[in-house]
Amino acid sequence: DSGVTQTPKHLITATGQRVTLRCSPRSGDLSVYWYQQSLDQGLQFLIQYYNGEERAKGNILERFSAQQFPDLHSELNLSSLELGDSALYFCASSVVPSGANVLTFGAGSRLTVL
Amino acid sequence: GQQLNQSPQSMFIQEGEDVSMNCTSSSIFNTWLWYKQDPGEGPVLLIALYKAGELTSNGRLTAQFGITRKDSFLNISASIPSDVGIYFCAGHFGNEKLTFGTGTRLTIIP
Repeated sequence: DSGVTQTPKHLITATGQRVTLRCSPRSGDLSVYWYQQSLDQGLQFLIQYYNGEERAKGNILERFSAQQFPDLHSELNLSSLELGDSALYFCASSVVPSGANVLTFGAGSRLTVL
Repeated sequence: GQQLNQSPQSMFIQEGEDVSMNCTSSSIFNTWLWYKQDPGEGPVLLIALYKAGELTSNGRLTAQFGITRKDSFLNISASIPSDVGIYFCAGHFGNEKLTFGTGTRLTIIP
């Protein structure tokens, strides 16, 4: 157990729908990162939050949004889902937002869009 | 932005063999990290390197931070079945975000 909790572990939905993925960072970590991993692909950085504020943005689609709440948990919202959005979505957390930080990953949420 | 080239993309080896994989960057890094991802799981940190030339071991794993600061390698000695998975390198410079390599998929042939 890495200490980073992601729910749900699996999610199956239809095209056009909207889903929310949730992440609780490791205790003491203030920064949360979201990554997308499509089948047999690498880790694509989506977005980062630090202490409630957006810190960095990667290749995140406009249909996707995220936020970090005062209790530091984060949610990734995916809307108008398309078949190509099927992927593993990972949340990671770190103590500091940048520099020599080490990311601790959750087990991921597997999204299947039918 | 920074680019990380990780090679090889995949490896098929027999149990007991040694494994070597590497990452090269288009620019210098301050930190190199190596992660392993088991099937269906999240990446787990194996080794962190913070200084050029640093050589660090974690059991059968050994990683080095290249002296040019633009590369790193990971060696696995005497591979066992549980070594199967995808290995990712990652690095960053200064306050920039961590950049991940494309991964090396390790398969052990029975």
